[in-house]
Amino acid sequence: GDSVTQMEGPVTLSEEAFLTINCTYTATGYPSLFWYVQYPGEGLQLLLKATKADDKGSNKGFEATYRKETTSFHLEKGSVQVSDSAVYFCALSASGGSYIPTFGRGTSLIVHP
Amino acid sequence: DGGITQSPKYLFRKEGQNVTLSCEQNLNHDAMYWYRQDPGQGLRLIYYSQIVNDFQKGDIAEGYSVSREKKESFPLTVTSAQKNPTAFYLCASLNRDPPYEQYFGPGTRLTVT
Repeated sequence: GDSVTQMEGPVTLSEEAFLTINCTYTATGYPSLFWYVQYPGEGLQLLLKATKADDKGSNKGFEATYRKETTSFHLEKGSVQVSDSAVYFCALSASGGSYIPTFGRGTSLIVHP
Repeated sequence: DGGITQSPKYLFRKEGQNVTLSCEQNLNHDAMYWYRQDPGQGLRLIYYSQIVNDFQKGDIAEGYSVSREKKESFPLTVTSAQKNPTAFYLCASLNRDPPYEQYFGPGTRLTVT
C-alpha cells in the first residue's frame, strides 16, 4: 500500500538557518503530494502542494519539488524564523478511489532565537 | 469564508460517560474524516464518510461511533468503551476532485478523568 516516510524530529535550528525536512513516499499511480503544518494546539493547515512530477510547490518561503525518480518531496526553507516552530506533515493524496490520504508521522521543528 | 468548525475547543468528562464532538463544514465536500492525535504522534484515522448516510471504520474505530445524516455534519461520539479517550481529535473534509486536498478543523482536546 501507499506510505510516507519523514525524517524523525525534533529538528532544532537557530533563527536564519537553512531547513530541510526529508520526505519519501511509496505509491501506486500518480498521487499529488502535500506538506501540512500544525502549530501547537491547532489543526493542520496546507502549506504547499505539487500535483505532478517536477512541480515545485511554494508558500511563505517554503519550497518542495515533486521528484518522481527519487520518490521524494523534501521541504526546504532558506532562512527559518522562530514563528516557523511547528510540526510538519508530508502527505500523499488518496488514490484508487479510496479518498484516504496517507500521512507521514510528522517532524517537529524548533527554532531558537 | 468556507471552512470546518469543531466545538468545543476543550472538553472535560468523567470516566464512564459518553461524549459527542461536533464537526461542521461549509465547503460542500462529500468526504469527511475523524482523526485522533496523541502527544508526539501522527494522525490515526478513526472513521470516515464518503457520502451522506454512509461511513466506514478507520484504523482505530473501537470505542467510537459516528453518524452522517447531513452533508455538513459528522459528529463523533466517544463511548465509555474507549479505553484511553484522552487525546486531540481532528475533523477533516476532502475535495473529491484532483488533487484531493484535505482540509482540517481546529481540533477538540478531550480530557477524561
